[in-house]
Order: sequence, then structure tokens, then C-alpha cells
Amino acid sequence: GQNIDQPTEMTATEGAIVQINCTYQTSGFNGLFWYQQHAGEAPTFLSYNVLDGLEEKGRFSSFLSRSKGYSYLLLKELQMKDSASYLCAVRDNYGQNFVFGPGTRLSVLP
Amino acid sequence: GAGVSQTPSNKVTEKGKYVELRCDPISGHTALYWYRQSLGQGPEFLIYFQGTGAADDSGLPNDRFFAVRPEGSVSTLKIQRTERGDSAVYLCASSLIGTSIEQFFGPGTRLTVL
Repeated sequence: GQNIDQPTEMTATEGAIVQINCTYQTSGFNGLFWYQQHAGEAPTFLSYNVLDGLEEKGRFSSFLSRSKGYSYLLLKELQMKDSASYLCAVRDNYGQNFVFGPGTRLSVLP
Repeated sequence: GAGVSQTPSNKVTEKGKYVELRCDPISGHTALYWYRQSLGQGPEFLIYFQGTGAADDSGLPNDRFFAVRPEGSVSTLKIQRTERGDSAVYLCASSLIGTSIEQFFGPGTRLTVL
């Protein structure tokens, strides 16, 4: 079966650091992706992990542990504009089926 | 255009009617994906095209849903005998090739079935 879990909602303060977790169980694995989606808009790509470890990209970092079926997205120096939903997705087969999690709605407060 | 475009942006129809949703991918992108997204949920995969062929249609919920991409560019998602449960935002995404890391999403078509 295909299952991706994320917390439904999180709240953090401007300037702080927040970690959004994602656990997955899929029949195949060829990469884990994080997308950002502002309300009423299309998802935009943030990061990609296919090997274990941390990928850093500016204020955003993403971590993957394939043996644990676990990833997290780390957002540093939070800004108000980071208030959005963050979607974890697994590419199940090579270049074909993407399975998205339900998304985590992050609210950044002043 | 520079990005993925979808038309119409909004579609309201009555139960039982037929609808067509159009997606124009980024020029040169060979891979095209259709998803649908309900409120508060992540996108749900429907179908993936590589070129003109549907490489994976395992996400289509039933035979009322069909999609084509006859020339390997524009794609049309067709829904017959619409039901209220079909109401959702239908998202299209494209990537350079199927193994590309980044998918580029269009703005979506909000379908409402009354």
C-alpha cells in the first residue's frame, strides 16, 4: 500500500526554526520531494532527496532516512511569507507515480 | 508561455454532464501529469504521459475519466457523467522528462459539480 503521514498543522514564530516531519510506506521508492503550496496556488518545488542525508538549500534543508522511511523539512529564519502548506511526496516508480502526503499547514506568527 | 497553463480556471457543471479540462505544458516538456486535489488534502495522482502515450493511468478512479495527449504537447482530461464527488481542483504538471527532479505545476482548474 501507499501511505504518507505528516502533521496536519504547525505554528511557529517569525525568525524561529521549524521541522516538518514526514513518514512514508510505499511499494517502491525513487526519491522524496518537498513542495510548498500557498493557499489557492499551485505547488512549487522545494527539495529532493534520493540518498540518505541532509540536503541544504538556503533557509531550507531536507533530510532523508530510507531505512526508517522518514524525512523532514527544516525551515530556518522563518518569515511571514513561509506560511503555507508543505507537501511531502514520494516518487513510487521511476518517473511515474508520485504519491503526495496530505500536507502540513504552517502558520508563522509575528 | 513561460509556465504551465490550464483552462478553464473555473468550471461549474451539473451532475451527469461531460467536461473537458485542458493543460498546456511548458514547451519541450515530454512528461505530463494530471492530479486532483480536494480541500485540505495533497494532490492525488491520476495519470502520467510520456510523449503521446499514457505511461501510467493507474490513478484514474474509474472509466468515467479519460485523458489524451495526441501530439505530445497539450493534454485534455475528460470526465463523463460527472458526479458531485468529482468536485476538486484538477492540477496539471510537466517536467522535461519523466525522470526529471522538478515538476512544474499549472494553476489548476477548479471543478464544481452541482
